[in-house]
Amino acid sequence: AQSVAQPEDQVNVAEGNPLTVKCTYSVSGNPYLFWYVQYPNRGLQFLLKYITGDNLVKGSYGFEAEFNKSQTSFHLKKPSALVSDSALYFCAVRDWNDYKLSFGAGTTVTVRA
Amino acid sequence: EPEVTQTPSHQVTQMGQEVILRCVPISNHLYFYWYRQILGQKVEFLVSFYNNEISEKSEIFDDQFSVERPDGSNFTLKIRSTKLEDSAMYFCASSSGQISGNTIYFGEGSWLTVV
Repeated sequence: AQSVAQPEDQVNVAEGNPLTVKCTYSVSGNPYLFWYVQYPNRGLQFLLKYITGDNLVKGSYGFEAEFNKSQTSFHLKKPSALVSDSALYFCAVRDWNDYKLSFGAGTTVTVRA
Repeated sequence: EPEVTQTPSHQVTQMGQEVILRCVPISNHLYFYWYRQILGQKVEFLVSFYNNEISEKSEIFDDQFSVERPDGSNFTLKIRSTKLEDSAMYFCASSSGQISGNTIYFGEGSWLTVV
């Protein structure tokens, strides 16, 4: 069975500081990893994904994520956070032979001015 | 940018009533999904749909639920005899393929409140 853990319910950072949102996963085969963001009263927006290849993946709005197979992690990062990055962030995983995404519980990011 | 659209954005219904949530997936996508998010909880998979039939469903997706693609553009989720615990945000999603690397795109959600 596939699963995702987001160990932090909340992350608070000052604008201009680096932002990291943590995610670890568990799958039986090769993982396919995704990050989504949910702004208040909005749907889930795709940010980026890892399928294969380079461990550092770049996505929308200046976000990137680093795949680490030995640590089974896929942390989301942004070098310089903006107030507008305040939102709920979800990590998700798909096993190689599965149709569905399994989501983490989500991490609320608050960026203060 | 193409997007998944859902209606209604919010619906309040009496317990025991039937509800139909509607979705228009991205036009060239062939795989469709419903997920739900109970307030404060994880986003949960309900069902996937391809070629006019269910390809996978979760244990949540019991006989109370059904899905249909009534025409070439719409994809619907029907909830019969709604219960209080069905109150949740329901997300429709679609993807162009079903291999694991394909991105699943989500709509804005339909917030269902059962009273």
